[in-house]
Amino acid sequence: QKEVEQNSGPLSVPEGAIASLNCTYSDRGSQSFFWYRQYSGKSPELIMFIYSNGDKEDGRFTAQLNKASQYVSLLIRDSQPSDSATYLCAVTRFSGGYNKLIFGAGTRLAVHP
Amino acid sequence: DAGVTQSPTHLIKTRGQQVTLRCSPKSGHDTVSWYQQALGQGPQFIFQYYEEEERQRGNFPDRFSGHQFPNYSSELNVNALLLGDSALYLCASSYLSGGAGDTQYFGPGTRLTVL
Repeated sequence: QKEVEQNSGPLSVPEGAIASLNCTYSDRGSQSFFWYRQYSGKSPELIMFIYSNGDKEDGRFTAQLNKASQYVSLLIRDSQPSDSATYLCAVTRFSGGYNKLIFGAGTRLAVHP
Repeated sequence: DAGVTQSPTHLIKTRGQQVTLRCSPKSGHDTVSWYQQALGQGPQFIFQYYEEEERQRGNFPDRFSGHQFPNYSSELNVNALLLGDSALYLCASSYLSGGAGDTQYFGPGTRLTVL
């Protein structure tokens, strides 16, 4: 079992729709959760982070965290073609006295006009 | 506000050679982490530097080594290059002393091709 699992996609949604991206993780001790967006050939760009159970909203983006079920999700409202990218979920794992970030393989999102 | 910078942008090497990649963290950041990202995969953690010391290391062989300088910039060295080392190498910086060490910002990356 991978530490961080994401559906590879592609997830295809029409412009203006809500895109829902999901991520599950295996380490119950994980404390911090991040979503990065990565355009093809570019480096990851931080979108949001969440530490507490519940929802966190930032513009068109909402991150949802459920530690009991060990999943974190990202909702993108009013999806635009410019949102087409790979979305990486990352969680912290405590090891050797320090936290380190573990990434999933990413979900490819395609928003079509 | 200067973001994370990396050099070079692209690099082509042959098997057995050695390579050095460079990273300057975002202004105000003190911690540098290095990642390897193969095509279609998520970034894989190589190691992290804070206060000029390697704090943690991922599952990478000793051929991968690094350094952090007093100005917080960092280098990644890879010896005896293998074809499988071809990847995008990412540097990420964070502000550990400020309690935000988990929130990492990535540089543009160095694309390494080993022939």
